[in-house]
Amino acid sequence: DTGVSQDPRHKITKRGQNVTFRCDPISEHNRLYWYRQTLGQGPEFLTYFQNEAQLEKSRLLSDRFSAERPKGSFSTLEIQRTEQGDSAMYLCASSLRGQIQETQYFGPGTRLLVL
Amino acid sequence: KQEVTQIPAALSVPEGENLVLNCSFTDSAIYNLQWFRQDPGKGLTSLLLIQSSQREQTSGRLNASLDKSSGRSTLYIAASQPGDSATYLCAGYGGSQGNLIFGKGTKLSVKP
Repeated sequence: DTGVSQDPRHKITKRGQNVTFRCDPISEHNRLYWYRQTLGQGPEFLTYFQNEAQLEKSRLLSDRFSAERPKGSFSTLEIQRTEQGDSAMYLCASSLRGQIQETQYFGPGTRLLVL
Repeated sequence: KQEVTQIPAALSVPEGENLVLNCSFTDSAIYNLQWFRQDPGKGLTSLLLIQSSQREQTSGRLNASLDKSSGRSTLYIAASQPGDSATYLCAGYGGSQGNLIFGKGTKLSVKP
């Protein structure tokens, strides 16, 4: 148990619908990352927060994607007008900036299937 | 731009065998390198993190090494067990803010 939780664990939706995922990091961690993993591939970085500030976004994060971390604790990732190509595992990770060993701890992921 | 490659893509060994998984990266200015394990349909479990100033890290039957000059890391698993069957991913901290860049993984199957 890494301490990072994600909800829901599974989501099936129809193309064109909006979906929102939640990530709760380890409580004292100030950095939070979102990654996306498709079948047979390694995770790909989407975006990252330090406290409540979104500091970096990948070019993979199209205009249909938005992420927030309003109080510097949990984060949400919303996908608007979902497409079949959005089907993937969405992983959240957290870390504590300033530690010599800045290990990222991952949650169990949210598996999205767009029909 | 940092790129991470893992060889082989898949590996099947009999129980008890010692094995080595390979990871190579293109940017020697890598900060840290982390090895993960992923079971089917699950999230990632961190195994070992090697800081850029270190050459290796050990945890139980696992030993990971880092050679920045050659752009390589290896994960050595001693006395493999069926419970070691999983996909092993290596990732380098390539971004300016610490995001991880992953390889595609090595799928390991340990046969009883």
